[in-house]
Amino acid sequence: GEDVEQSLFLSVREGDSSVINCTYTDSSSTYLYWYKQEPGAGLQLLTYIFSNMDMKQDQRLTVLLNKKDKHLSLRIADTQTGDSAIYFCAESIGAAGNKLTFGGGTRVLVKP
Amino acid sequence: DAGVIQSPRHEVTEMGQEVTLRCKPISGHNSLFWYRQTMMRGLELLIYFNNNVPIDDSGMPEDRFSAKMPNASFSTLKIQPSEPRDSAVYFCASSLGQMVIGPGNTIYFGEGSWLTVV
Repeated sequence: GEDVEQSLFLSVREGDSSVINCTYTDSSSTYLYWYKQEPGAGLQLLTYIFSNMDMKQDQRLTVLLNKKDKHLSLRIADTQTGDSAIYFCAESIGAAGNKLTFGGGTRVLVKP
Repeated sequence: DAGVIQSPRHEVTEMGQEVTLRCKPISGHNSLFWYRQTMMRGLELLIYFNNNVPIDDSGMPEDRFSAKMPNASFSTLKIQPSEPRDSAVYFCASSLGQMVIGPGNTIYFGEGSWLTVV
């Protein structure tokens, strides 16, 4: 079955690194995604990783994937107040690759 | 480049009334999704269409909910009759298509329709 879980809340100081964690259960996941939702807005794709990769870096964002443990993380370097938002991880599976299953979201609060 | 367009952005309605939410996907996208977001249940996929055909409606909560996609550029989600527990943010999203797997098949979300049923 499909189940994606995330911690609910993360507080971090401006300038520090943030690490948001996610676990998933379906080993046939093809792509894993991180989406960001700012207050009152829809979800925006931040980054993604293919399931045969271990790491992907995109400017301040680093995605780590441990396929054995079905664990995904998003690291945000030099966190800024504009990074305060809800972050969702999501997985897409197999032939229905465009059907995403989302985690519950992690609310990140960046303190000055 | 217009994204996914939803209307209305906000709606407050009385219990028992019919609610119709509208969505215009990104031009050229063949898949369309309706999601519902609540504090209690997070993001739930209600239904998705590919080439205007409903592929999976297993997330539709009950018969009071219905969705249509009469053409490639328009979809509706209807709730009749509405109930207070339907209060949520309803997101429409679109992507290139079912058989394109990977980053080229990114799902793009609209801004959401914020529904309050009193």
